[in-house]
Amino acid sequence: DVVLTQSPLSLPVTLGQPASISCRSSQSLVHSDGNTYLIWLQQRPGQSPRRLLSQVSNRESGVPDRFSGSGSGTDFTLKISRVEAEDLGVYYCMQFTHWPHTFGQGTKLEIK
Amino acid sequence: EVQLVESGGGLVQPGGSLRLSCAASGFTFSNYWMNWIRRAPRKGLEWVANINKDGSAKYYVDSVKGRFTISRDNAKNSLYLQMNSLRVEDTAVYYCVKDVRDWGQGALVTVSS
Repeated sequence: DVVLTQSPLSLPVTLGQPASISCRSSQSLVHSDGNTYLIWLQQRPGQSPRRLLSQVSNRESGVPDRFSGSGSGTDFTLKISRVEAEDLGVYYCMQFTHWPHTFGQGTKLEIK
Repeated sequence: EVQLVESGGGLVQPGGSLRLSCAASGFTFSNYWMNWIRRAPRKGLEWVANINKDGSAKYYVDSVKGRFTISRDNAKNSLYLQMNSLRVEDTAVYYCVKDVRDWGQGALVTVSS
């Protein structure tokens, strides 16, 4: 199975400051069709997860542009340009290039 | 608006069974793959199973193979997860998920004696 390793697992941040989360894969996530099926999800406390980014860097409808994604192959990054209070929660990367689909362990974004 | 509403969760003893249901609305159900994804207490998300549009293809994570069965009824816009031989480690909130984009509110399954 593909292992996704996120770092850090806990990310204390100051509101208004940037934040960055890494997701590294044990295998390339480039599919045979040329696409990279790596997404980022946000789970706020008490809520269901919400997809933020598709195929590494495509923001979902309604997602603020302070969220951005980058990377290729096995190394990916989620960046928040200026953290706001509503951004607190757990962030997951997930891949569905390979079976079974797998998630990173999650990164908890919290106030410093 | 996409709506996914899970039901059927609860408390069950180890070795017991439960059937989760997911009522879908707001989209053409038969046009989408559907998933069950879970989150165990103090742990991360885990993809459990998914099913293709007409139900002819099903995939499972190794830990539930032979115990869980995913199915769907496109006429009823419903997704199901039959869970047998439940273990303590199956305790989790189970989410019905369309396209890994739209999520239900989750159904809590607790396996405990």
